[in-house]
Amino acid sequence: EDQVTQSPEALRLQEGESSSLNCSYTVSGLRGLFWYRQDPGKGPEFLFTLYSAGEEKEKERLKATLTKKESFLHITAPKPEDSATYLCAVHSYSGNTPLVFGKGTRLSVIA
Amino acid sequence: DTEVTQTPKHLVMGMTNKKSLKCEQHMGHRAMYWYKQKAKKPPELMFVYSYEKLSINESVPSRFSPECPNSSLLNLHLHALQPEDSALYLCASSRPGQGPTNEKLFFGSGTQLSVL
Repeated sequence: EDQVTQSPEALRLQEGESSSLNCSYTVSGLRGLFWYRQDPGKGPEFLFTLYSAGEEKEKERLKATLTKKESFLHITAPKPEDSATYLCAVHSYSGNTPLVFGKGTRLSVIA
Repeated sequence: DTEVTQTPKHLVMGMTNKKSLKCEQHMGHRAMYWYKQKAKKPPELMFVYSYEKLSINESVPSRFSPECPNSSLLNLHLHALQPEDSALYLCASSRPGQGPTNEKLFFGSGTQLSVL
């Protein structure tokens, strides 16, 4: 069974304090790993898709990386507007469900 | 147009009411999804429609009834709900069967449902 574990559950950063969010996954064959951002009461907003180990993608202050067992979402010099829940999800060749989501990391960036 | 539009944004209903949630997309996506999300929890898959046919039902109670009238529209009919069904209901769409990107989901903003 596909599994996704995100850590930490919650993270509080000062503005400008860089950090990383972790997404560990167990799948029999990875088709894609997805990162989403979700603001309270809103739907998840797509950030990145990663397909193979070693792949990296960047968008503004965010950088996502992928290994064979985990993905990191690096946040460089975060701003208060980066505060949100960050969800990781995997799509596998074996799974019947489209995406398996982790529980998310709730990020708070304090000015 | 890269939007998935959901209406209404908020809904309050009693346990004996019948209501419907609506979802619309004009991106040419042929897969549409309903998810349920409780506070501080990840989205939980409820239903998947692929080419207007129900392909996945995650053992959802019959008080939730999905409908896909055409490739752009998805409805969720609600009847005799329980207070524990209060949640954010999310619609999503994607392009099925087009390689690894086929599970990139585009989500709507959701309907916040309260059952009294």
